[in-house]
Amino acid sequence: GENVEQHPSTLSVQEGDSAVIKCTYSDSASNYFPWYKQELGKRPQLIIDIRSNVGEKKDQRIAVTLNKTAKHFSLHITETQPEDSAVYFCAALLSGGYQKVTFGTGTKLQVIP
Amino acid sequence: DSGVTQTPKHLITATGQRVTLRCSPRSGDLSVYWYQQSLDQGLQFLIQYYNGEERAKGNILERFSAQQFPDLHSELNLSSLELGDSALYFCASSEGPSGETQYFGPGTRLLVL
Repeated sequence: GENVEQHPSTLSVQEGDSAVIKCTYSDSASNYFPWYKQELGKRPQLIIDIRSNVGEKKDQRIAVTLNKTAKHFSLHITETQPEDSAVYFCAALLSGGYQKVTFGTGTKLQVIP
Repeated sequence: DSGVTQTPKHLITATGQRVTLRCSPRSGDLSVYWYQQSLDQGLQFLIQYYNGEERAKGNILERFSAQQFPDLHSELNLSSLELGDSALYFCASSEGPSGETQYFGPGTRLLVL
C-alpha cells in the first residue's frame, strides 16, 4: 500500500519568511496530492492540490511542487502570517481507484510575529 | 462552514459500549469518507461510501462498521469500545467517487472512559 512521509514534524518561522513542508510517497501509481490545513480544534480544510500531470501549482501565497520521478511533493508558503499557524497534512491517492487516501503525519507550523 | 454536518459534537461513554456517529454530506455530494484522528496523531482513513456502496476500505477495525443510506447520510457504528478508541472522528464528503476535493465536517469527539 501507499506510504507517505512528511517532514518536518514542527516548523517555526518568523512572520514574513517562507515555509516549506516536504512529503514523499511510495506508490508510483498515486496521481493526486492534496494539502490540508487544520487549525487547533477545527476541521481539516483543503488548501491546494496537484495532479500528477502538473509540476507546479500556485494560489496566491501558497504553491505546491511535484517531482514524480523522485516521488516527492512540497508545500511552499511565502510571506507567512500568524494566521498560517496550523498543522498541515499532505496526502496521496490514486484518484478514482478503489484505494484509501493516505495522509502524512502532519507538520505543526508556528509563525512568530 | 463546509456544508458537512456531524452529530453529536461530543460523546462520552464507557468501555464495552456501542455508539453511532452520524454524518450528512454537502448537498450534491455522493461520497462520504470516515477518518479517525487520535491525540497528536494524523488522519487515519477508515472507509469510503459512494452512492450507498462501499468504495474503499482503510484501517477500520472489525468492531467498527459503517453504512450510507438512500438519503446519502452515513453512520459509523463503533462497538465493544476500548479506551484506545477515544479520538476525533471526522467525516468528509466529495462530489464523485475519486477521493479528490474532500470537504470535512466538524468532527465528533469521542471519549471512552
